[in-house]
Amino acid sequence: NAGVMQNPRHLVRRRGQEARLRCSPMKGHSHVYWYRQLPEEGLKFMVYLQKENIIDESGMPKERFSAEFPKEGPSILRIQQVVRGDSAAYFCASSLSGGAADTQYFGPGTRLTVL
Amino acid sequence: RKEVEQDPGPFNVPEGATVAFNCTYSNSASQSFFWYRQDCRKEPKLLMSVYSSGNEDGRFTAQLNRASQYISLLIRDSKLSDSATYHCVVNGDYKLSFGAGTTVTVRA
Repeated sequence: NAGVMQNPRHLVRRRGQEARLRCSPMKGHSHVYWYRQLPEEGLKFMVYLQKENIIDESGMPKERFSAEFPKEGPSILRIQQVVRGDSAAYFCASSLSGGAADTQYFGPGTRLTVL
Repeated sequence: RKEVEQDPGPFNVPEGATVAFNCTYSNSASQSFFWYRQDCRKEPKLLMSVYSSGNEDGRFTAQLNRASQYISLLIRDSKLSDSATYHCVVNGDYKLSFGAGTTVTVRA
């Protein structure tokens, strides 16, 4: 059973470029969450998606950031015109259902470095 | 005020020692409580859920006090492999709120 998969694991971008982060949930999971972790901090919720729907994007910056989870293929977190402050680890998690008690399983993360 | 506050440590303990640490959370509507373990530059992994009655998983014991909004974790007979950052996590609906983590280092 493959777990949550994320790619790339490491991504380097120059200021102003675009970053695309991909997440494939665990088999059978249709709920996907994106979190961001800055150094020495805990993970911060960004967005919650189900297939083809954004359920909650309250944790996502209003500009430059977008997320999707198409009917076919992985979930994508897109950051346009990256700035140095976007450098962080981005983790994707998936769950079987969206309930409070449902376990979220995390992928290995994508470490974004903006030069 | 942060949703989840933790003592960052670090806690440096010898093998075999007992180490305990805790966190507080601000949202009284939180429904689920967890401890996640995160190794350096890796993803967080669920260590255990935390229940009001307190629960134990091997050498790990977790306690929850809803009235005080306080969660604790105790590790008995520490192993070198217990060295990690432990995040206190609460969940009100589907958003996990992570504490910044408590770093534990177990030395030989």
